[in-house]
Amino acid sequence: EADIYQTPRYLVIGTGKKITLECSQTMGHDKMYWYQQDPGMELHLIHYSYGVNSTEKGDLSSESTVSRIRTEHFPLTLESARPSHTSQYLCASSRSGQGVVITEAFFGQGTRLTVV
Amino acid sequence: AQKITQTQPGMFVQEKEAVTLDCTYDTSDPSYGLFWYKQPSSGEMIFLIYQGSYDQQNATEGRYSLNFQKARKSANLVISASQLGDSAMYFCAMREQTGANNLFFGTGTRLTVIP
Repeated sequence: EADIYQTPRYLVIGTGKKITLECSQTMGHDKMYWYQQDPGMELHLIHYSYGVNSTEKGDLSSESTVSRIRTEHFPLTLESARPSHTSQYLCASSRSGQGVVITEAFFGQGTRLTVV
Repeated sequence: AQKITQTQPGMFVQEKEAVTLDCTYDTSDPSYGLFWYKQPSSGEMIFLIYQGSYDQQNATEGRYSLNFQKARKSANLVISASQLGDSAMYFCAMREQTGANNLFFGTGTRLTVIP
């Protein structure tokens, strides 16, 4: 069973609020990811990190920001939430190094965000 | 160009029958990995099976097997003896050796198992 946790599981929040979605893993993985997924649709990579103090934007442009101050923690922040941010956000992690291509990513349970 | 293509938005299968979910991929990297994930309605992503580009044999994990045809760049998932609990979205994904090593996902196939 994967040791990666996301909180909150569900969040309903008003427009203009600042929110932080938490993601933590206890596997010591270097690489962490944030994906955005609308219901029944594909996953889009919005942020990833190679390790502490390393963050990169993914393929899908996002107004969110991330930080990686500790290996196990990769929070995602929206400074001012809007209804267009309503979606599911999935956090994942994987190890890096030799044999990286055969390493699956472990996912958290996701945060379903609704901005009203 | 799409790196992963899943052409079946939805599939139906009778309980206890086998079903094949299609996946084709596009890469020029000689070293890559192919993965299948299951996503039930609860939303979490469950890893099912992977195939490395250099693996000679098709991967198998219980009722799941991966029909890997390298020349055709296809990595179809075969689920044998379907169960009602197999109803879910299924995503094919690929990781390349070069670049950022990120996991690229297809658009998914919604499988419905009929009793």
